Amino acid sequence: AQSVTQLDSQVPVFEEAPVELRCNYSSSVSVYLFWYVQYPNQGLQLLLKYLSGSTLVKGINGFEAEFNKSQTSFHLRKPSVHISDTAEYFCAVSITGGFKTIFGAGTRLFVKA
Amino acid sequence: DTGVSQDPRHKITKRGQNVTFRCDPISEHNRLYWYRQTLGQGPEFLTYFQNEAQLEKSRLLSDRFSAERPKGSFSTLEIQRTEQGDSAMYLCASSLGGGGRRAYEQYFGPGTRLTVT
Repeated sequence: AQSVTQLDSQVPVFEEAPVELRCNYSSSVSVYLFWYVQYPNQGLQLLLKYLSGSTLVKGINGFEAEFNKSQTSFHLRKPSVHISDTAEYFCAVSITGGFKTIFGAGTRLFVKA
Repeated sequence: DTGVSQDPRHKITKRGQNVTFRCDPISEHNRLYWYRQTLGQGPEFLTYFQNEAQLEKSRLLSDRFSAERPKGSFSTLEIQRTEQGDSAMYLCASSLGGGGRRAYEQYFGPGTRLTVT
């Protein structure tokens, strides 16, 4: 079975500062990895995904993530955050070729002026 | 493309009552997923369909829960004899079929918030 651990439940950061949201996963088989964002009172939106190929994945809104197989991690980064990035961020995993997706508990990013 | 829609957006019911939620996926998507999200947690997978076939079902889905997608378009999730522990946000998502890269992009609806009193 797969599992996802998001290491920080809340991350406060000042506007224009860099941020990293950490995600580790556990799986005995190869996986696909995802980051989703959920703004208040809205559904989830896909930020980026890793299926294969380059381990550095770029997504929307200036976010990127790096797949590290040896450390079973998929951390999300942004070099300079905006107030509008305040939201809940979810890391997720599915087995390669599978569609059942397992989500982490989420990290609340709070960007302060 | 009008996105994934869910109805109702909010439902308050008394314990023991049955409730049914509807999800309309993006029209060209033939995969449809149901998740449950409780406060402070990520979405928990419940089940997914490819066209009208229910391909996988979580053990979280007890006998009181049933999902259907009779014509491969909209789907319904029914909860019988609701319990207070069923209070949660129920999310629906859809994705393209096949095995291409875009098939792994799930588009989520706004959710149905269920409160069982």
